[in-house]
Amino acid sequence: GAVVSQHPSWVICKSGTSVKIECRSLDFQATTMFWYRQFPKQSLMLMATSNEGSKATYEQGVEKDKFLINHASLTLSTLTVTSAHPEDSSFYICSATILAGGRDNEQFFGPGTRLTVL
Amino acid sequence: SQQGEEDPQALSIQEGENATMNCSYKTSINNLQWYRQNSGRGLVHLILIRSNEREKHSGRLRVTLDTSKKSSSLLITASRAADTASYFCAVQGTNAGKSTFGDGTTLTVKP
Repeated sequence: GAVVSQHPSWVICKSGTSVKIECRSLDFQATTMFWYRQFPKQSLMLMATSNEGSKATYEQGVEKDKFLINHASLTLSTLTVTSAHPEDSSFYICSATILAGGRDNEQFFGPGTRLTVL
Repeated sequence: SQQGEEDPQALSIQEGENATMNCSYKTSINNLQWYRQNSGRGLVHLILIRSNEREKHSGRLRVTLDTSKKSSSLLITASRAADTASYFCAVQGTNAGKSTFGDGTTLTVKP
């Protein structure tokens, strides 16, 4: 159990377009979902924390108007990269914390989405 | 700033040798997780160790946690060429629930 999926697994887009990435908890309800970004040969950096039904909390230096997060349900969060540019090319990974069942706060990570902006 | 800091940054060993990677952090934690990432791929979860645990094993992997020193180590025994990857620790703090990743250790196992 505790599987997190992401869609798409990879996407290539033209500069100036918007890209939506979905993060789903498949077999559990997630209180909170997190979005991370990883540039080549670097570690994962937290971008934002997303709670169902409320506005996301962004980390310092992350533009909330560029990276739109919608957490519509306890099993789905979406990240939209608006007006993407080549410097947004990165690996985006989401994670989710489980709602209940003795595993509170344990984080489960999705497989990641590789975004390439031409 | 990131909580998790790992050393060494890079480690190169011969097949069959043991590999040890360390992770240090700064504040109280709920748990600490170790992940492997092959080049260009997603994260593979290895082991989660909770703050009240001191040691966990999984196959050839052994993880220790010393909360007094705020550090953890990952030991891979009898390494194989297929163990070549980057290894990250992720520290989950006691509030907010978010995990902070270390910079990672790049392990190269030579056949």
